[in-house]
Amino acid sequence: DQQVKQNSPSLSVQEGRISILNCDYTNSMFDYFLWYKKYPAEGPTFLISISSIKDKNEDGRFTVFLNKSAKHLSLHIVPSQPGDSAVYFCAAFLSGTYKYIFGTGTRLKVLA
Amino acid sequence: EAQVTQNPRYLITVTGKKLTVTCSQNMNHEYMSWYRQDPGLGLRQIYYSMNVEVTDKGDVPEGYKVSRKEKRNFPLILESPSPNQTSLYFCASKAWDSEAFFGQGTRLTVV
Repeated sequence: DQQVKQNSPSLSVQEGRISILNCDYTNSMFDYFLWYKKYPAEGPTFLISISSIKDKNEDGRFTVFLNKSAKHLSLHIVPSQPGDSAVYFCAAFLSGTYKYIFGTGTRLKVLA
Repeated sequence: EAQVTQNPRYLITVTGKKLTVTCSQNMNHEYMSWYRQDPGLGLRQIYYSMNVEVTDKGDVPEGYKVSRKEKRNFPLILESPSPNQTSLYFCASKAWDSEAFFGQGTRLTVV
């Protein structure tokens, strides 16, 4: 049973436009969410996170939105750059468990 | 430099031949874990450790063993590898108040 879902396996966006990556979850007890970026032949690297008590967190070109009632979060990248081309994983976390549950990933391709 | 180091990066082995993938972190993190990444399945946790001598099963522990004798090291052991363990493996470490840091991955092929 997939508790964290990324329903879009891939996404292509033109350079300079907005990229929106989506993630849905089923467990309302998750209290922290993260996005990781992964380039080929490298490990995932942390990008941005959000606590369940917030609905938005921004870091430069990256903004994560959380809609708890819909159990949905999204990552916005504005403006998108070719260097953003990677696989993006969302992850949910339950405080005190030390455990991340990852989605299946979305491959973003930013076209120059 | 803060890092998680895995070795080897690439490994091809035969069915049934025991192997160990090492993982070491230099951040003094209490928590370490192993994940495998497979197409369409994302990252799935194999085993985790909350501290020295404390380990527990993740979501897909069958066919794997781990040990945590020192805080910095968390090796993954495949006693009798099988082809369905062909995968990309990641080690991660985390402090209680930090995000997880991942190693660069080990691509394992079992033939």
